[in-house]
Amino acid sequence: QSVLTQPPSASGTPGQRVTISCSGSSSNIGTNTVNWYQQLPGTAPKLLIFGDSQRPSGVPDRFSDSKSDTSASLAISGLRSEDEADYYCAAWDDSLNGWVFGGGTKLTVL
Amino acid sequence: QLQLQESGPGLVKPSDSLSLTCTVSGGSISSSTYFWGWIRQPPGMGLEWIGSMFYSGSTYYNPSLRSRVTISVDPSKNQFSLKLSSVTAADTAVYYCARLDYYGSGTPPRRGYFDYWGQGTLVTVSS
Repeated sequence: QSVLTQPPSASGTPGQRVTISCSGSSSNIGTNTVNWYQQLPGTAPKLLIFGDSQRPSGVPDRFSDSKSDTSASLAISGLRSEDEADYYCAAWDDSLNGWVFGGGTKLTVL
Repeated sequence: QLQLQESGPGLVKPSDSLSLTCTVSGGSISSSTYFWGWIRQPPGMGLEWIGSMFYSGSTYYNPSLRSRVTISVDPSKNQFSLKLSSVTAADTAVYYCARLDYYGSGTPPRRGYFDYWGQGTLVTVSS
């Protein structure tokens, strides 16, 4: 059971906007920044969003995030078929003194 | 362009130790800006952080694995390594090495993020 809670699945049609939630606690999301990773099938995870809603070079601005108290959300607008992947949230946990990940959300583009 | 490559045995017997090495190219492992770490992913499951290390020796380990994990660095070879002892079938996973960049001052690297990953290597624990 993961420290950060994500829905196991999400779906949308091309062009739609979808959101993926990540629920934590005061020792992780409530205190520290949240990172999001995208994992395409059969590949290593890729950093999608980090810190205060920053995107690495090459990540389109269709990807954005938000945070409120002990929860965070990833939003993908203008959904495309190539967005079909697993998405993970992560944050430092002050109680565990280490990194914690969400269980991952499998996004299907219908 | 920074690249990381995992290497090590793909099959380990139960109760033995798992040893993996990550070779870094395109950048120095001795940089004072980064941590280096290991993350694993059991087949069909999510990501689990194993531990991270600063080149000077400061380490952070997953509490659930701390008693069995050692991460070390060899600056002369630009490599860092993972050793996991007393493995069981539950340790079967794809193991990734990754660079942890972070901003802000001090440690631990609360404002960090894994920005470069290796391709991963599957380690199966079986007799």
